[in-house]
Amino acid sequence: SYELTQPPSVSVSPGQTARITCSGDALPKKYAYWYQQKSGQAPVLVIYEDNKRPSGIPERFSGSRSGTMATLTISGAQVEDEADYYCYSTDSSGNRVFGGGTKLTVL
Amino acid sequence: EVQLLESGGGLVQPGGSLRLSCAASRFTFSTYGMSWVRQAPGKGLEWVSVISGSGGITYYADSVKGRFTISRDNYKNTLYLQMNSLRGEDTALYYCAKVQGNIASSNWYFDLWGRGTLVTVSS
Repeated sequence: SYELTQPPSVSVSPGQTARITCSGDALPKKYAYWYQQKSGQAPVLVIYEDNKRPSGIPERFSGSRSGTMATLTISGAQVEDEADYYCYSTDSSGNRVFGGGTKLTVL
Repeated sequence: EVQLLESGGGLVQPGGSLRLSCAASRFTFSTYGMSWVRQAPGKGLEWVSVISGSGGITYYADSVKGRFTISRDNYKNTLYLQMNSLRGEDTALYYCAKVQGNIASSNWYFDLWGRGTLVTVSS
């Protein structure tokens, strides 16, 4: 079955840039989406269609996709950005897949 | 504010059944696809099922195909998930999510999530 691979954890200091990657064989032809899930809360969409920010999401969140990899970048990460981040996409057959999640620590 | 409120979770024995509901408010429910996504305790997200705005198109993850049925009542602005032949691996927090995009295409995603309802399958 199709998999999206993310690093289990990323750690940065406040104000630094955090980059979370997501790799998958179908990504050259499929959009990537990113969700933020803070502890005990429901997921929130932070990036859609590779690089678009929903209303209300801070400008420090950005996304990109190149080849088999999508990247979520948080420029000037804040303590409140500490959360689990999941990428989401589809394979060539239309199956919906989430990455395994990346725990972002900002301290 | 757009709202999704799940209910119906609980403890059920293996092989049992449960029906989840999701009440939607403050958006035109019938014009959006809706989906269920689950999260096992301490684990990641897993897409379960999706239904079109009219209810005429449905898709399921392989892990639940033949056991779960998604449906909706556009008069009551409510989404449902009928879960039969439940297994231990179905234990999870089940989220209802509003879908953005045409589910008949490859480009659709979840733009709003409820807070979830917990399903525990155990004897």
